[in-house]
Amino acid sequence: EAEVAQSPRYKITEKSQAVAFWCDPISGHATLYWYRQILGQGPELLVQFQDESVVDDSQLPKDRFSAERLKGVDSTLKIQPAELGDSAMYLCASSLAPQGYSPLHFGNGTRLTVT
Amino acid sequence: QKEVEQNSGPLSVPEGAIASLNCTYSDRGSQSFFWYRQYSGKSPELIMSIYSNGDKEDGRFTAQLNKASQYVSLLIRDSQPSDSATYLCAKGGAQKLVFGQGTRLTINP
Repeated sequence: EAEVAQSPRYKITEKSQAVAFWCDPISGHATLYWYRQILGQGPELLVQFQDESVVDDSQLPKDRFSAERLKGVDSTLKIQPAELGDSAMYLCASSLAPQGYSPLHFGNGTRLTVT
Repeated sequence: QKEVEQNSGPLSVPEGAIASLNCTYSDRGSQSFFWYRQYSGKSPELIMSIYSNGDKEDGRFTAQLNKASQYVSLLIRDSQPSDSATYLCAKGGAQKLVFGQGTRLTINP
């Protein structure tokens, strides 16, 4: 079964440093999402792409976070500078249909620890 | 009021019994509903999707949707220790997919 690929699995960084996460969605999935999940909470959408275009980044802290999907396939999420409160699981997901009509398929996630 | 509300638990159920997980939502325009299972330290995995009122069964899992009352539930029959996990309810439609905080389920042998 096709999977969403994410890397790295774990990342430890010091505050004020830059960090980047990579995601490759399931082939043919035009919609790609980045979620952040804090321990004990549900995933929260950071940014949604339809092909290479951003369709929702209303919850993305744009002063420190950036995301891109240049060729409409794989995507990178960057944090600069990292803060202690950014420690969380960062999940990438993809779906066949946009918005909330189609189930999401998640990657394994990146566990970020900021010290 | 949160868009999707779940009891955070923990919910403890003896092995072999029926586990019942509930979720309420605030947006009457929501059209699609999903249940995800998440083991500790892992990413969510889809176990059920439901789009119309009534019941939908898949193996030991049954999802129930009542749009008039704005709730969706998940029943797990013959609960197994491997069912111990956090269960996330999510709603979607024209708006983005929104997750509840999850219910932690423990199946006791």
